[in-house]
Amino acid sequence: KQEVTQIPAALSVPEGENLVLNCSFTDSAIYNLQWFRQDPGKGLTSLLLIQSSQREQTSGRLNASLDKSSGRSTLYIAASQPGDSATYLCAVASGYALNFGKGTSLLVTP
Amino acid sequence: EAEVAQSPRYKITEKSQAVAFWCDPISGHATLYWYRQILGQGPELLVQFQDESVVDDSQLPKDRFSAERLKGVDSTLKIQPAELGDSAMYLCASSLAVSDSFGYGYTFGSGTRLTVV
Repeated sequence: KQEVTQIPAALSVPEGENLVLNCSFTDSAIYNLQWFRQDPGKGLTSLLLIQSSQREQTSGRLNASLDKSSGRSTLYIAASQPGDSATYLCAVASGYALNFGKGTSLLVTP
Repeated sequence: EAEVAQSPRYKITEKSQAVAFWCDPISGHATLYWYRQILGQGPELLVQFQDESVVDDSQLPKDRFSAERLKGVDSTLKIQPAELGDSAMYLCASSLAVSDSFGYGYTFGSGTRLTVV
């Protein structure tokens, strides 16, 4: 079974800092990897989708990379803002459904 | 932008009672998923539908949970009887493809927060 691990579990940074969230997975035979954002008590919002053949995807201040062979992905957030405070979930598509990590809880302080 | 609709947003029920959640996927999405997310954890798959057929329900506690997607469009997830441990967020998602080998990704609804008292 695909196991997805996210490090760190929680992160607190001052506004303006660049930061990196890490995701690792045990089975490199994946179709794609998706990063989601979840605000407290809310559903999941898709941030970036990286196909298995791609190395990275960018959207605004967000950049996600994928190294399938080593089973790793990183989400880079540039110039963090208080509005970025949320839980970030990494999900790997291998087989029929998504396997999620437990998430990284991010707090950006003014 | 197309959305996955879920209702209700919040539900409080007493243990041993029945509860039901509804999901309407994005139009044209053949695949529908129900996930359960316990506080502080990542979502875990309960059941997956391709059109009206169940593709995977291996993690669905079938003694108390049931799910249906009769016409291959919207879906209902039911719990009867509810237990305290069922308190969680129930998320519905949809996708164009059966497996995500096509790389369409998944779109999630806003979820139903269930509290069993």
